[in-house]
Amino acid sequence: AQKVTQAQTEISVVEKEDVTLDCVYETRDTTYYLFWYKQPPSGELVFLIRRNSFDEQNEISGRYSWNFQKSTSSFNFTITASQVVDSAVYFCALSGRYGGATNKLIFGTGTLLAVQP
Amino acid sequence: SQTIHQWPATLVQPVGSPLSLECTVEGTSNPNLYWYRQAAGRGLQLLFYSVGIGQISSEVPQNLSASRPQDRQFILSSKKLLLSDSGFYLCAWGTIFSGNTIYFGEGSWLTVV
Repeated sequence: AQKVTQAQTEISVVEKEDVTLDCVYETRDTTYYLFWYKQPPSGELVFLIRRNSFDEQNEISGRYSWNFQKSTSSFNFTITASQVVDSAVYFCALSGRYGGATNKLIFGTGTLLAVQP
Repeated sequence: SQTIHQWPATLVQPVGSPLSLECTVEGTSNPNLYWYRQAAGRGLQLLFYSVGIGQISSEVPQNLSASRPQDRQFILSSKKLLLSDSGFYLCAWGTIFSGNTIYFGEGSWLTVV
């Protein structure tokens, strides 16, 4: 069975601090995709990144970076120099196999990030 | 570019009343469509998905149903709402060309009183 665990329920940091959000996944598929979504107070889920299981290269996008490690089944998300606008709930998600049939995503329970000014 | 819209954005319904939430996608053809629910506590639960017109798969037994009368239209319904149906409902779409990524609408807040 597939499962995504985000052990951190809530994190509170002060602006400009770096923060890492943890994500651990379980799957028996050899091909799978991992995602991060951001849910600001408005409610809409905003897609941030997709990673496939064959690409373990870390990725950086501005202040955001992602660390994918198959050996530990983790896909962690780091925000550098956090800002108040980063305050949101962040979800990690997992999709089995290749695209096409269903694209069903399994979500973690989310981590609420509060960035204090 | 593709866009997704769902409505109404918020609604308050009495127990036992019917429900209809509508979602439409523009700018793509033959998308996979999804309904997720987010109850208090933030977890996202997949309710229904559809890979084509008239094709609906239900993930969990519940008081809700879904229909897809047109390629880019997805409707979530209930004949009689329960208090436990309250939550935030999100429609989403994806295609074989979106690399397994799904994109969400703005969401609909439902409060059953």
